[in-house]
Amino acid sequence: GAVVSQHPSWVICKSGTSVKIECRSLDFQATTMFWYRQFPKQSLMLMATSNEGSKATYEQGVEKDKFLINHASLTLSTLTVTSAHPEDSSFYICSARRPSGDTGELFFGEGSRLTVL
Amino acid sequence: AQSVAQPEDQVNVAEGNPLTVKCTYSVSGNPYLFWYVQYPNRGLQFLLKYITGDNLVKGSYGFEAEFNKSQTSFHLKKPSALVSDSALYFCAEMFSGGYNKLIFGAGTRLAVHP
Repeated sequence: GAVVSQHPSWVICKSGTSVKIECRSLDFQATTMFWYRQFPKQSLMLMATSNEGSKATYEQGVEKDKFLINHASLTLSTLTVTSAHPEDSSFYICSARRPSGDTGELFFGEGSRLTVL
Repeated sequence: AQSVAQPEDQVNVAEGNPLTVKCTYSVSGNPYLFWYVQYPNRGLQFLLKYITGDNLVKGSYGFEAEFNKSQTSFHLKKPSALVSDSALYFCAEMFSGGYNKLIFGAGTRLAVHP
């Protein structure tokens, strides 16, 4: 089956620094990837849709200057949390859809837990 | 409004008993519906989906879900629960109008007791 890999799995950083999370589709090309954020004991909130070769599409209320998304290739999307603060601490999950069909299921990475001190 | 409702925060069931995790959707017409499972500190694993066809959809690990258009529901079921089924379950609906994004319900924690 399809595999989506995220790195790092865990990251702890100081307030004010920036953190980059990578999402890779390992055995298929993904023109579209999705970034979600999950707070403890809560659901996944869609942050943005990452499109290869173009700007990301952000959901309402998500700061695009805060959460920079780059989809430079068909297998890699990155999420950079800029000038991180403790309230940015969360579980970030990326996903990708195999290009065989728009109604196909999303394959999810294992998630990246960010803790901002 | 785009919304998927999972009315139960937690479902408790004894091992060997049937389980149901409820989900209702919002979009009229022909919805695309999904169920995913999440284990602690992990990403989501796909269980099953309904696109069209039979209302009873069979998925991974013995799970199935029944699409009911009149009740706008897509409840997840399993005839005999296992302790290892204990996890967080998410119902999701696909919305078109840009990349077919998935919107998730709040999640239901399933606890299966020995």
